[in-house]
Amino acid sequence: EAQVTQNPRYLITVTGKKLTVTCSQNMNHEYMSWYRQDPGLGLRQIYYSMNVEVTDKGDVPEGYKVSRKEKRNFPLILESPSPNQTSLYFCASTSTGKAYEQYFGPGTRLTVT
Amino acid sequence: GIQVEQSPPDLILQEGANSTLRCNFSDSVNNLQWFHQNPWGQLINLFYIPSGTKQNGRLSATTVATERYSLLYISSSQTTDSGVYFCAVGNDYKLSFGAGTTVTVRA
Repeated sequence: EAQVTQNPRYLITVTGKKLTVTCSQNMNHEYMSWYRQDPGLGLRQIYYSMNVEVTDKGDVPEGYKVSRKEKRNFPLILESPSPNQTSLYFCASTSTGKAYEQYFGPGTRLTVT
Repeated sequence: GIQVEQSPPDLILQEGANSTLRCNFSDSVNNLQWFHQNPWGQLINLFYIPSGTKQNGRLSATTVATERYSLLYISSSQTTDSGVYFCAVGNDYKLSFGAGTTVTVRA
């Protein structure tokens, strides 16, 4: 089954404690991205990756890092989380070719206290 | 960046009713998609529709790229249609999302 997986699905942590949210896709997509969703703001892109070892900032990259060492994986790293990073996070991968259809993971709800 | 406006922000429907959701955008795009976020938070791709008209069951969408808007039609609504509908527009891979339309379908 074609899918995007994220782990963990829920996480409560404390300010300053480094964390990683993993993302994996099995569709051989080259393009992957991370979004955060906050009430009333829709989804905002954090980082994206065009391919292995190619990443770039989205609209709200401050406080986040990413890496793309393998095509299927695109982890999101918060090296020193702060309460304003409490949000719902989505990983997505996008098909290539004629249509840029985007497929989302199930989401990770992060609370930073 | 591209500005995306969705209307209405909220919509309450009786089961069986039809509705139209609108998405206006501020610049030329070659990528436009509609997504449904169900009450459990899952985001589902409904349509990839940078231009033209598509139909999938009770849902259909039309994009008039030259006039910078897209419409999503829900016919014979069901309670399972409840959730938030997002329009996302952009070029190639980069998408900007609207704030969404929250649809509540009452039995």
